[in-house]
Amino acid sequence: EDKVVQSPLSLVVHEGDTVTLNCSYEVTNFRSLLWYKQEKKAPTFLFMLTSSGIEKKSGRLSSILDKKELFSILNITATQTGDSAVYLCAVEWNAGGTSYGKLTFGQGTILTVHP
Amino acid sequence: KAGVTQTPRYLIKTRGQQVTLSCSPISGHRSVSWYQQTPGQGLQFLFEYFSETQRNKGNFPGRFSGRQFSNSRSEMNVSTLELGDSALYLCASRWYRGGGAQETQYFGPGTRLLVL
Repeated sequence: EDKVVQSPLSLVVHEGDTVTLNCSYEVTNFRSLLWYKQEKKAPTFLFMLTSSGIEKKSGRLSSILDKKELFSILNITATQTGDSAVYLCAVEWNAGGTSYGKLTFGQGTILTVHP
Repeated sequence: KAGVTQTPRYLIKTRGQQVTLSCSPISGHRSVSWYQQTPGQGLQFLFEYFSETQRNKGNFPGRFSGRQFSNSRSEMNVSTLELGDSALYLCASRWYRGGGAQETQYFGPGTRLLVL
Protein backbone atom coordinates (compact mmCIF):
# COMPACT_ATOMS: atom_id res chain seq x y z
CA GLU A 1 0.00 0.00 0.00
CA ASP A 2 1.26 3.49 -0.82
CA LYS A 3 2.62 5.26 2.22
CA VAL A 4 3.98 8.73 2.95
CA VAL A 5 5.60 9.50 6.31
CA GLN A 6 6.60 12.94 7.48
CA SER A 7 8.87 13.88 10.33
CA PRO A 8 8.93 15.50 12.73
CA LEU A 9 5.19 15.69 13.41
CA SER A 10 5.63 19.02 15.14
CA LEU A 11 8.38 21.56 15.50
CA VAL A 12 8.68 24.73 17.54
CA VAL A 13 11.37 27.25 16.63
CA HIS A 14 12.15 30.92 17.01
CA GLU A 15 12.23 33.50 14.28
CA GLY A 16 15.47 33.37 12.33
CA ASP A 17 16.00 29.64 12.82
CA THR A 18 16.43 27.26 9.89
CA VAL A 19 14.22 24.18 9.76
CA THR A 20 14.31 20.97 7.76
CA LEU A 21 11.17 18.95 7.25
CA ASN A 22 11.36 15.36 6.07
CA CYS A 23 9.14 13.23 3.88
CA SER A 24 9.74 9.58 3.03
CA TYR A 25 7.54 7.50 0.80
CA GLU A 26 6.75 4.03 -0.43
CA VAL A 27 4.76 4.39 -3.59
CA THR A 28 4.57 2.09 -6.54
CA ASN A 29 4.98 3.82 -9.87
CA PHE A 30 6.13 7.13 -8.43
CA ARG A 31 5.21 10.13 -10.52
CA SER A 32 5.83 13.27 -8.46
CA LEU A 33 6.15 14.58 -4.92
CA LEU A 34 4.46 17.77 -3.87
CA TRP A 35 4.78 20.05 -0.87
CA TYR A 36 1.86 22.12 0.36
CA LYS A 37 1.47 24.67 3.16
CA GLN A 38 -1.83 24.66 5.05
CA GLU A 39 -2.61 27.52 7.41
CA LYS A 40 -6.27 27.58 8.18
CA LYS A 41 -8.03 26.19 5.19
CA ALA A 42 -6.89 25.27 1.69
CA PRO A 43 -3.45 23.75 1.22
CA THR A 44 -1.42 26.10 -0.93
CA PHE A 45 1.07 24.69 -3.39
CA LEU A 46 4.78 25.10 -2.71
CA PHE A 47 6.77 22.72 -4.89
CA MET A 48 6.44 19.81 -7.27
CA LEU A 49 9.46 17.52 -7.53
CA THR A 50 9.90 14.87 -10.16
CA SER A 51 13.66 14.47 -10.66
CA SER A 52 16.31 13.47 -8.15
CA GLY A 53 18.92 15.93 -7.02
CA ILE A 54 17.43 19.06 -8.53
CA GLU A 55 16.75 21.66 -5.88
CA LYS A 56 13.70 23.84 -6.23
CA LYS A 57 13.78 27.23 -4.54
CA SER A 58 11.28 29.92 -3.78
CA GLY A 59 12.54 32.70 -1.57
CA ARG A 60 13.51 31.23 1.77
CA LEU A 61 12.04 27.84 0.93
CA SER A 62 13.80 25.08 -0.94
CA SER A 63 13.21 21.41 -1.53
CA ILE A 64 14.99 18.45 -3.03
CA LEU A 65 14.07 14.88 -3.91
CA ASP A 66 16.08 11.67 -3.63
CA LYS A 67 14.35 9.00 -5.71
CA LYS A 68 16.90 6.35 -4.83
CA GLU A 69 16.41 6.71 -1.07
CA LEU A 70 12.73 7.65 -1.50
CA PHE A 71 12.65 10.86 0.46
CA SER A 72 12.41 14.60 0.15
CA ILE A 73 13.29 17.51 2.41
CA LEU A 74 11.82 20.96 2.68
CA ASN A 75 14.11 23.64 4.07
CA ILE A 76 12.99 26.98 5.41
CA THR A 77 15.72 29.47 6.26
CA ALA A 78 15.38 32.58 8.43
CA THR A 79 11.94 31.49 9.60
CA GLN A 80 9.25 34.08 10.29
CA THR A 81 6.06 33.85 12.34
CA GLY A 82 4.15 33.78 9.06
CA ASP A 83 5.76 30.42 8.30
CA SER A 84 3.72 28.86 11.12
CA ALA A 85 1.51 26.30 9.42
CA VAL A 86 1.08 22.62 8.68
CA TYR A 87 3.40 21.47 5.91
CA LEU A 88 2.04 18.58 3.89
CA CYS A 89 3.94 16.23 1.65
CA ALA A 90 2.01 14.31 -0.99
CA VAL A 91 3.00 11.76 -3.59
CA GLU A 92 1.28 11.11 -6.88
CA TRP A 93 1.39 7.71 -8.50
CA ASN A 94 1.35 6.84 -12.13
CA ALA A 95 -1.41 4.66 -13.47
CA GLY A 96 -0.59 3.24 -16.88
CA GLY A 97 1.07 6.38 -18.16
CA THR A 98 -1.61 8.79 -17.03
CA SER A 99 -2.25 10.37 -13.71
CA TYR A 100 -5.65 9.93 -12.15
CA GLY A 101 -5.63 12.71 -9.65
CA LYS A 102 -4.86 10.74 -6.51
CA LEU A 103 -2.43 12.29 -4.06
CA THR A 104 -1.34 10.25 -1.05
CA PHE A 105 -0.58 12.62 1.82
CA GLY A 106 1.66 12.34 4.84
CA GLN A 107 0.39 13.28 8.30
CA GLY A 108 1.86 16.74 8.04
CA THR A 109 4.42 18.62 10.12
CA ILE A 110 3.04 21.34 12.39
CA LEU A 111 5.56 24.18 12.41
CA THR A 112 5.26 26.89 15.04
CA VAL A 113 7.56 29.90 14.81
CA HIS A 114 7.75 32.09 17.90
CA PRO A 115 8.81 35.76 17.69
CA LYS B 1 -7.88 33.97 -12.63
CA ALA B 2 -10.29 32.90 -9.93
CA GLY B 3 -9.24 29.98 -7.78
CA VAL B 4 -11.13 26.84 -6.90
CA THR B 5 -14.39 27.66 -5.15
CA GLN B 6 -16.42 25.44 -2.90
CA THR B 7 -19.91 25.86 -1.52
CA PRO B 8 -21.16 25.88 1.10
CA ARG B 9 -18.24 26.72 3.35
CA TYR B 10 -19.84 25.38 6.50
CA LEU B 11 -22.59 22.88 7.03
CA ILE B 12 -24.26 21.28 10.03
CA LYS B 13 -26.29 18.13 9.53
CA THR B 14 -27.68 15.37 11.73
CA ARG B 15 -27.03 11.68 11.50
CA GLY B 16 -28.95 9.92 8.77
CA GLN B 17 -29.30 12.99 6.58
CA GLN B 18 -27.61 13.43 3.27
CA VAL B 19 -25.50 16.30 1.99
CA THR B 20 -24.32 17.65 -1.35
CA LEU B 21 -21.15 19.72 -1.67
CA SER B 22 -20.18 21.71 -4.74
CA CYS B 23 -16.84 22.53 -6.32
CA SER B 24 -16.09 24.89 -9.20
CA PRO B 25 -12.61 24.34 -10.62
CA ILE B 26 -10.22 26.95 -11.93
CA SER B 27 -11.32 28.04 -15.40
CA GLY B 28 -9.93 25.64 -17.98
CA HIS B 29 -9.21 22.89 -15.47
CA ARG B 30 -10.93 19.66 -16.39
CA SER B 31 -9.87 17.32 -13.60
CA VAL B 32 -11.42 17.58 -10.14
CA SER B 33 -10.36 15.49 -7.15
CA TRP B 34 -12.04 15.32 -3.76
CA TYR B 35 -10.37 14.75 -0.40
CA GLN B 36 -11.54 14.32 3.17
CA GLN B 37 -9.44 15.83 5.95
CA THR B 38 -9.84 14.79 9.59
CA PRO B 39 -7.52 15.22 12.57
CA GLY B 40 -7.15 11.46 12.95
CA GLN B 41 -6.74 10.35 9.35
CA GLY B 42 -5.31 13.43 7.73
CA LEU B 43 -6.02 14.08 4.06
CA GLN B 44 -7.49 11.12 2.23
CA PHE B 45 -8.41 10.80 -1.43
CA LEU B 46 -12.07 10.26 -2.20
CA PHE B 47 -12.32 10.28 -6.00
CA GLU B 48 -11.32 12.04 -9.17
CA TYR B 49 -13.42 13.14 -12.12
CA PHE B 50 -12.43 14.06 -15.62
CA SER B 51 -14.76 14.72 -18.54
CA GLU B 52 -17.75 13.74 -16.42
CA THR B 53 -16.24 10.31 -15.68
CA GLN B 54 -14.96 9.00 -12.39
CA ARG B 55 -11.49 7.68 -13.12
CA ASN B 56 -10.24 6.86 -9.67
CA LYS B 57 -11.74 6.15 -6.29
CA GLY B 58 -10.32 5.95 -2.78
CA ASN B 59 -11.24 3.55 -0.01
CA PHE B 60 -14.51 5.05 1.10
CA PRO B 61 -17.91 3.39 1.42
CA GLY B 62 -20.54 3.68 -1.27
CA ARG B 63 -22.33 6.38 0.73
CA PHE B 64 -19.78 8.75 -0.78
CA SER B 65 -20.48 9.53 -4.41
CA GLY B 66 -19.86 12.29 -6.85
CA ARG B 67 -20.39 13.55 -10.31
CA GLN B 68 -19.01 16.06 -12.74
CA PHE B 69 -20.91 18.26 -15.15
CA SER B 70 -20.02 19.26 -18.67
CA ASN B 71 -18.65 22.60 -17.44
CA SER B 72 -16.26 20.65 -15.15
CA ARG B 73 -18.06 21.68 -11.97
CA SER B 74 -18.31 18.78 -9.57
CA GLU B 75 -20.52 17.74 -6.71
CA MET B 76 -20.04 15.14 -4.05
CA ASN B 77 -22.83 13.55 -2.08
CA VAL B 78 -22.75 11.77 1.22
CA SER B 79 -25.85 9.81 2.13
CA THR B 80 -26.91 8.49 5.53
CA LEU B 81 -24.47 10.71 7.38
CA GLU B 82 -22.54 9.31 10.33
CA LEU B 83 -20.79 11.19 13.11
CA GLY B 84 -17.45 10.13 11.65
CA ASP B 85 -18.20 11.99 8.42
CA SER B 86 -17.51 15.27 10.21
CA ALA B 87 -14.53 16.64 8.36
CA LEU B 88 -13.15 19.28 6.06
CA TYR B 89 -13.94 18.29 2.47
CA LEU B 90 -11.49 19.71 -0.04
CA CYS B 91 -11.60 19.66 -3.77
CA ALA B 92 -8.65 20.25 -6.04
CA SER B 93 -8.53 20.97 -9.73
CA ARG B 94 -5.95 20.76 -12.46
CA TRP B 95 -5.84 21.24 -16.19
CA TYR B 96 -4.91 17.70 -17.23
CA ARG B 97 -3.33 17.69 -20.67
CA GLY B 98 -2.70 13.96 -20.57
CA GLY B 99 0.28 12.33 -22.23
CA GLY B 100 2.15 11.99 -18.97
CA ALA B 101 2.33 15.71 -18.24
CA GLN B 102 2.79 16.45 -14.56
CA GLU B 103 0.43 19.11 -13.34
CA THR B 104 -0.19 20.56 -9.95
CA GLN B 105 -3.47 20.20 -8.13
CA TYR B 106 -4.80 23.45 -6.68
CA PHE B 107 -7.08 23.26 -3.68
CA GLY B 108 -10.25 25.11 -2.81
CA PRO B 109 -11.00 26.49 0.67
CA GLY B 110 -13.01 23.44 1.66
CA THR B 111 -16.41 22.75 3.12
CA ARG B 112 -16.43 22.06 6.83
CA LEU B 113 -19.15 19.53 7.61
CA LEU B 114 -20.29 18.87 11.15
CA VAL B 115 -22.57 15.89 11.75
CA LEU B 116 -24.50 15.94 15.02
